[in-house]
Amino acid sequence: EAQVTQNPRYLITVTGKKLTVTCSQNMNHEYMSWYRQDPGLGLRQIYYSMNVEVTDKGDVPEGYKVSRKEKRNFPLILESPSPNQTSLYFCASSLSMGRSYEQYFGPGTRLTVT
Amino acid sequence: AQSVTQLDSQVPVFEEAPVELRCNYSSSVSVYLFWYVQYPNQGLQLLLKYLSGSTLVESINGFEAEFNKSQTSFHLRKPSVHISDTAEYFCAVTKSLTGNTPLVFGKGTRLSVIA
Repeated sequence: EAQVTQNPRYLITVTGKKLTVTCSQNMNHEYMSWYRQDPGLGLRQIYYSMNVEVTDKGDVPEGYKVSRKEKRNFPLILESPSPNQTSLYFCASSLSMGRSYEQYFGPGTRLTVT
Repeated sequence: AQSVTQLDSQVPVFEEAPVELRCNYSSSVSVYLFWYVQYPNQGLQLLLKYLSGSTLVESINGFEAEFNKSQTSFHLRKPSVHISDTAEYFCAVTKSLTGNTPLVFGKGTRLSVIA
């Protein structure tokens, strides 16, 4: 089954404690991206990757890092989480950036930073 | 840069009534437009898309949207909603299908269908 998986699905952490949210896709997609969803603000892109070792900033990259060492994985790293990073996070993938409108979305990770 | 405005953050409607979710975009160039649906506790799914050709596009579950270039709109409509249509709907735009241009999402409209 074609899918994007994220782990963990729920996470409560404290300010400053480094964390990683994993994202994996099994469709051999080149393009992957991370979004955060906040009430009244919709989806905002954090980072995206057009292929292995090619990443770029989205609209709200501050406080986040990503890496793309393998085609299937695109982890999101919060080196020093802060309460304003409390949000619902989605990973997504598509065949290419030009086909990003056909992104497959993961189930989401709800992060709470206290 | 392109942007998307969804004029209503919440739309309550009775079951079997018609609904229109409004979306306006701003761009100085040609655009490609999309509607996504997010059911409770799930990720987004592509509902329908306008890439070229007919300005009226339809989804498999009865929704339709019409691209209106003069009004820079891409409103989503359904003549008779069902309880299962309760979800959040996002309009999105991109100006290129081949270049380095990410998809830009609106803030979403929460559709609540009341029995």
